[in-house]
Amino acid sequence: EADIYQTPRYLVIGTGKKITLECSQTMGHDKMYWYQQDPGMELHLIHYSYGVNSTEKGDLSSESTVSRIRTEHFPLTLESARPSHTSQYLCASSLHGGGTEAFFGQGTRLTVV
Amino acid sequence: SQELEQSPQSLIVQEGKNLTINCTSSKTLYGLYWYKQKYGEGLIFLMMLQKGGEEKSHEKITAKLDEKKQQSSLHITASQPSHAGIYLCGADSVTEGGADGLTFGKGTHLIIQP
Repeated sequence: EADIYQTPRYLVIGTGKKITLECSQTMGHDKMYWYQQDPGMELHLIHYSYGVNSTEKGDLSSESTVSRIRTEHFPLTLESARPSHTSQYLCASSLHGGGTEAFFGQGTRLTVV
Repeated sequence: SQELEQSPQSLIVQEGKNLTINCTSSKTLYGLYWYKQKYGEGLIFLMMLQKGGEEKSHEKITAKLDEKKQQSSLHITASQPSHAGIYLCGADSVTEGGADGLTFGKGTHLIIQP
């Protein structure tokens, strides 16, 4: 069983609020990822990190930002939430880059009203 | 960027029947991953294939990667209600200058009828 945790699992928040989605893993993985998934749609990579102080943008442009101050922690922040940000956000980590499987958290379902 | 096409998009099978899900890439696959996702939840890793012709099995699920490394199939034998969910294939993104993470297909929604 993967040791990667996301909080909260569900979040309903008003437009304009600042939110932070938490992701932590206890496996000592260097690489971490954030994916966005709309209901019934495919996953899109929005951010990833190679390790501490490393953050990169993914294939899908996102207004969110991430930080990686500690190996185990990779939070995602939206400074001003909008209804268009409503989606499921999935965090993942892997030991290395290509050739190793990624482990996923349970996801955070965000609804902006 | 690497595109992954999955077929079928959805599949309804009677409990006990066998089924196959396919994943086709527009480019050579250097690492092909199969995941299962229950609705509204995270992804559970099933299997990883890297070598042409490779085949792996776990319980009643078998995954294969063809010799050309552009197509993979996932086969479930004697399906059970616990097999229901969304099956996703993912591949290492090896596009030069592209993001370094897994690219996923759109998924196959599997429903098992009792």
